[in-house]
Order: sequence, then C-alpha cells, then structure tokens
Amino acid sequence: EAGVAQSPRYKIIEKRQSVAFWCNPISGHATLYWYQQILGQGPKLLIQFQNNGVVDDSQLPKDRFSAERLKGVDSTLKIQPAKLEDSAVYLCASSELGLAGGYNEQFFGPGTRLTVL
Amino acid sequence: AQSVTQLGSHVSVSEGALVLLRCNYSSSVPPYLFWYVQYPNQGLQLLLKYTSAATLVKGINGFEAEFKKSETSFHLTKPSAHMSDAAEYFCVVNTNAGKSTFGDGTTLTVKP
Repeated sequence: EAGVAQSPRYKIIEKRQSVAFWCNPISGHATLYWYQQILGQGPKLLIQFQNNGVVDDSQLPKDRFSAERLKGVDSTLKIQPAKLEDSAVYLCASSELGLAGGYNEQFFGPGTRLTVL
Repeated sequence: AQSVTQLGSHVSVSEGALVLLRCNYSSSVPPYLFWYVQYPNQGLQLLLKYTSAATLVKGINGFEAEFKKSETSFHLTKPSAHMSDAAEYFCVVNTNAGKSTFGDGTTLTVKP
C-alpha cells in the first residue's frame, strides 16, 4: 500500500514570496490533515478535512495561509506572502473515516521543509 | 480544550536500561491517547494507542504505556533500551472528531 506522498521535500524562498505544498493521501482515506512543525516543537494542526469539507481550521492563519482539497483526494496548502516565522516542516497526514474518529491512526507523509530567508 | 505535556525534552539512557518517557494530558472528555515515534530521517509512525479496552497498552518494538486516569498520565516504557530506539517520541491526545494535539516531543538517546 502506498503511503502519504508530499512534494516538494525541500523549499527555500524569500520573505513575501508565495509557496505551495502538495499532498496525496492514502487511497480511501477520507480525513486529511496539515500540520506545521517548528524546530523543537510538536506538530501543530493547521487544518483538517473530511472528504472535501473543512472540519477544523481554527489554527490556520487565514490572512496568509489557504488550503483546499478538491474532489476529496489531493490537497494543496499555500502560503502567500511568506514570513520568516513560517520556516518549519509542513506535514500531511491521512486517516480512515470511522464512527470512532478519535481512535483512528494517522499516517504521515515525509514532510516539506520550508526555509524562509 | 485539550493539552499534552511531555516532561523532559531529552532523555538519555544506556543500552539495556529502562526507558521511561513521561506524558500528562488534560481533556474535558475521556481521552484518545497515542504515542508516535519519529526515527531519524523518517516520517512519524504510530507506536501504540489507548483504546479503553485495557489500561496497559502494548505497542511495537517492545514498548508499552499505561493509562492512569487518576494521574492523567500515559507514560511510555520499555524494559531494556536498544540502540535502534534512538528517536523522537510524541504523546498525542485526540478529540472524538480525530483532532490531534501533540506534545512537544522527547528525544531519546541510547548510549552504548
């Protein structure tokens, strides 16, 4: 079974530029997550999709970050314009849709390491 | 609101020694608790999860964790550390909808 795919793996940009990250979840997984992991901290949830609907985006900085999940499969996370403090690893994860959603294991992609200069 | 506190950002043990990584949580509802591990240059993967069937949960690679409601803890242990256990470990609490809150992680170093 193929895992969660993310691209690019690394990205270096200058502040005020735009950047986009792509994620392809495990086939059949209805729930998709984007996390931001700053060095020395645990992953912080940015947005959670269930199929193509947003379940939670309370921690997404909506003035500069946006995400979409067209057709309930692939997802794109965009930052526009980037700030220095956006330097982090951006993780995508997916899980099955179940009645007991809290029990579901998340499967993580390798992440995209973003450096903003 | 839920939160997770991992005591000790770095833990160092000798090979063969007991591993104890501490995790305390707060949750307004019965918690869904997990430990994830991130080996060097690899993605996060599930180590074990608490499903309410038993308070002592066994995971991969000889790890286990005990859920103690009275102490709001979910500490991770392994009787004998191996060099290959060197990694970063994250304690996680989930809501019913699957929203995860991660601790800040504990880096485990195993000395020969």
